[in-house]
Amino acid sequence: GQNIDQPTEMTATEGAIVQINCTYQTSGFNGLFWYQQHAGEAPTFLSYNVLDGLEEKGRFSSFLSRSKGYSYLLLKELQMKDSASYLCADMDSNYQLIWGAGTKLIIKP
Amino acid sequence: TAGITQAPTSQILAAGRSMTLRCTQDMRHNAMYWYRQDLGLGLRLIHYSNTAGTTGKGEVPDGYSVSRANTDDFPLTLASAVPSQTSVYFCASSDRSGEGGNEQFFGPGTRLTVL
Repeated sequence: GQNIDQPTEMTATEGAIVQINCTYQTSGFNGLFWYQQHAGEAPTFLSYNVLDGLEEKGRFSSFLSRSKGYSYLLLKELQMKDSASYLCADMDSNYQLIWGAGTKLIIKP
Repeated sequence: TAGITQAPTSQILAAGRSMTLRCTQDMRHNAMYWYRQDLGLGLRLIHYSNTAGTTGKGEVPDGYSVSRANTDDFPLTLASAVPSQTSVYFCASSDRSGEGGNEQFFGPGTRLTVL
């Protein structure tokens, strides 16, 4: 089966750190993606993990544990512009993306 | 570079009417995709094309058809629209090089309302 779970909504304070979790169950696995989507806009690519561990890219980091079917996106030094939905997607054996419903992140001053 | 363009930006359509959503990419990507996005649900794949001349069905293909006559264009047609097809439609493309990290690039979306 294929199932992606992530929290519906999270709230954090400007300047703080937030971790958005994602669990997946997919028959076949070719990597885990994170996308950012601002309201009314298209999703844009943030990160890709295919091996276990942490990938750091500026203020954003993404972690993967294949044995646990688990990933998280870590956002540091939060800015108001980080208010958006964050979409987790895993790539199955056919190279198709299976998407979670997204986590709406609200940043408060 | 334009990347991926979609047209129209938005449309109101009477039920029973047909419509084609257009999608064009200039990145020479092999693979293209059509998704719909509904509130509370993840992006759902409607149809895809791994390369020009081939298409495949995604998770929710009923009521939709696609064609891929060339690398750049991937139109989505609703033959007889129904209100449940009210959604935001995104076209995407990726370079299916066979290696990992095939990120998908998205068009700006088409907001369709079927009345």
